[in-house]
Amino acid sequence: QSALTQPRSVSGSPGQSVTISCTGTSSDVGGHSYVSWYQHHPAKAPKLMIYDVSKRPSGVPDRFSASKSGNTASLTISGLQAEDEADYYCCSYAGIYSVIFGGGTKLTVL
Amino acid sequence: EVQLVQSGAEVKKPGESLKISCKGFGYSFTTYWIGWVRQMPGKGLEWMGIIYPGDSDTRYSPSFQGQVTISADKSISIAYLQWSSLEASDTAMYYCARAIVVDPSGILGVGYFDYWGQGALVTVSS
Repeated sequence: QSALTQPRSVSGSPGQSVTISCTGTSSDVGGHSYVSWYQHHPAKAPKLMIYDVSKRPSGVPDRFSASKSGNTASLTISGLQAEDEADYYCCSYAGIYSVIFGGGTKLTVL
Repeated sequence: EVQLVQSGAEVKKPGESLKISCKGFGYSFTTYWIGWVRQMPGKGLEWMGIIYPGDSDTRYSPSFQGQVTISADKSISIAYLQWSSLEASDTAMYYCARAIVVDPSGILGVGYFDYWGQGALVTVSS
């Protein structure tokens, strides 16, 4: 099972918006409503930012939003802040007791 | 407050065995699945497997089946990841995470990981 496809990097200036895509197949991203997104700062634990395609856990700013269309999920970060600079990973339910991650996207805040 | 606290960094030689741990705090350890995730140097996250501490039901990613053993001791709220014979390619950061298992269409699977441990760096070098 190959990793979900994410752009290796994206960038934006403070205050701007960026969108990170995550492309899978009809067996994972496209087949279910269980896509999640994680923020990972170096040397820290990954943090859940989005679950069930578009739901935000308590404490995650509403600057973070997400959606899905067909086999591609997207994470949008609006009003970019310096602290948003991190690696972002998508993740999808992939069948019986299985899950698959994307390759990760490095977000640079210019 | 839910917390997962992992054991510390390890430096091992090829061929040695290793068992790292992940202790859960602040929730009912026996009623949530725990997953293990690998991050090799400069690479992305890879799911290794999950365990249900309540009955030790364990499922592995095909990529890790037979390479590692996942276990748990529910009496002390700890999940383990172990190797019987390490290789240099096992050098990585390993994270445990609480897994929310979902059941679309009757097929259980991981929906997402809501809490993560701080990670344990395993270095295997001669």
